[in-house]
Amino acid sequence: EAQVTQNPRYLITVTGKKLTVTCSQNMNHEYMSWYRQDPGLGLRQIYYSMNVEVTDKGDVPEGYKVSRKEKRNFPLILESPSPNQTSLYFCASSLQGANTGELFFGEGSRLTVL
Amino acid sequence: AQKITQTQPGMFVQEKEAVTLDCTYDTSDPSYGLFWYKQPSSGEMIFLIYQGSYDQQNATEGRYSLNFQKARKSANLVISASQLGDSAMYFCAMREKGTGRRALTFGSGTRLQVQP
Repeated sequence: EAQVTQNPRYLITVTGKKLTVTCSQNMNHEYMSWYRQDPGLGLRQIYYSMNVEVTDKGDVPEGYKVSRKEKRNFPLILESPSPNQTSLYFCASSLQGANTGELFFGEGSRLTVL
Repeated sequence: AQKITQTQPGMFVQEKEAVTLDCTYDTSDPSYGLFWYKQPSSGEMIFLIYQGSYDQQNATEGRYSLNFQKARKSANLVISASQLGDSAMYFCAMREKGTGRRALTFGSGTRLQVQP
């Protein structure tokens, strides 16, 4: 089954404790991206990757890091989480050359930083 | 300025009736794509429909259609024959092809509740 898998789905952590949210896709997509969703703001892009070893900032990259060492994986790293990073996070992927460029989303990871 | 505006925070509709969810957008890029996603209470994002800026006809997918009015920069989603399972948050989104980063810019969403 074609899918984007995120882990963990739910996490409560404390300020300053490094954490990683993993994302893996099995569709051989070149493009991957991270979004955060906050009430009243919709989804905002954090980082994206056009292909292996190619990553770039989105609209709200502060406080986050990413890496793309393999095509299928695109982890999101919070080196020192703060309460304002409490949010619902989505990983998404798509084919680079797809006509519609539809994004396939993971199921979301709900993060709470105390 | 907001690139995607959804002016209806919440909507109610009776089961089996049609409903229109509004979306206006702002871009100077001549090449762009417009998307609608559904987010049920379980949280996942479900792709519904896509309209390209050069597409001559309005997109349709089953009970979903996109009323694309390019001059007015609007891309309203029409759901015909509403079902209880249509109750969800709906997001309009745009990709501007000229940016190169393939990001979708989302509106703030409309929560639709279908009443029996």
